[in-house]
Amino acid sequence: GAGVSQSPRYKVAKRGQDVALRCDPISGHVSLFWYQQALGQGPEFLTYFQNEAQLDKSGLPSDRFFAERPEGSVSTLKIQRTQQEDSAVYLCASSLNPPTGQAGEQYFGPGTRLTVT
Amino acid sequence: AQSVTQPDIHITVSEGASLELRCNYSYGATPYLFWYVQSPGQGLQLLLKYFSGDTLVQGIKGFEAEFKRSQSSFNLRKPSVHWSDAAEYFCAVSNTNAGKSTFGDGTTLTVKP
Repeated sequence: GAGVSQSPRYKVAKRGQDVALRCDPISGHVSLFWYQQALGQGPEFLTYFQNEAQLDKSGLPSDRFFAERPEGSVSTLKIQRTQQEDSAVYLCASSLNPPTGQAGEQYFGPGTRLTVT
Repeated sequence: AQSVTQPDIHITVSEGASLELRCNYSYGATPYLFWYVQSPGQGLQLLLKYFSGDTLVQGIKGFEAEFKRSQSSFNLRKPSVHWSDAAEYFCAVSNTNAGKSTFGDGTTLTVKP
């Protein structure tokens, strides 16, 4: 009964470096979400996948942020040329159904804490 | 645009005392409302959710919440708090059951022995 897993759990990057954050959703889950949680704030939506299709990327803060889910399971969030304001916890969530379904809920991973120095 | 306000940044209660965490939302249609708990280093765990029907919903760990449309509120309650309830609590709103959610900034709960 594995839940959503994320790796690495902690990442320290120097300003200007590129980083890649991985999310392994629950097997069979159709929907996958990325959220950014700054210190002392609630999570903020970044992007959403239904299977391999990225249907909503309205929350990505800049074109330095890129996400993919090529085979409809594992997803990677990539941040290019990291800046200090990118320091946050990045949460991944998955759900069994597409958002229009009446069943299911989002299951969250433990997050990756990114610190940009 | 939807938004969630949690007016209390930090609440301290004594163990065994009752608890109420406030949540106000702004949303144009019928909202889907959620309460999550987050312990340090952990992901968000769903406590309960409201979609429709009975406005008083029961969740896990003895929590309940009441949806009041007239007040745009969805306050979380627990009759008797345990030390293990110390954590951060987030209220969230969505337009669907499992769609992207808008979260409040959270309330940190401290439990005094």
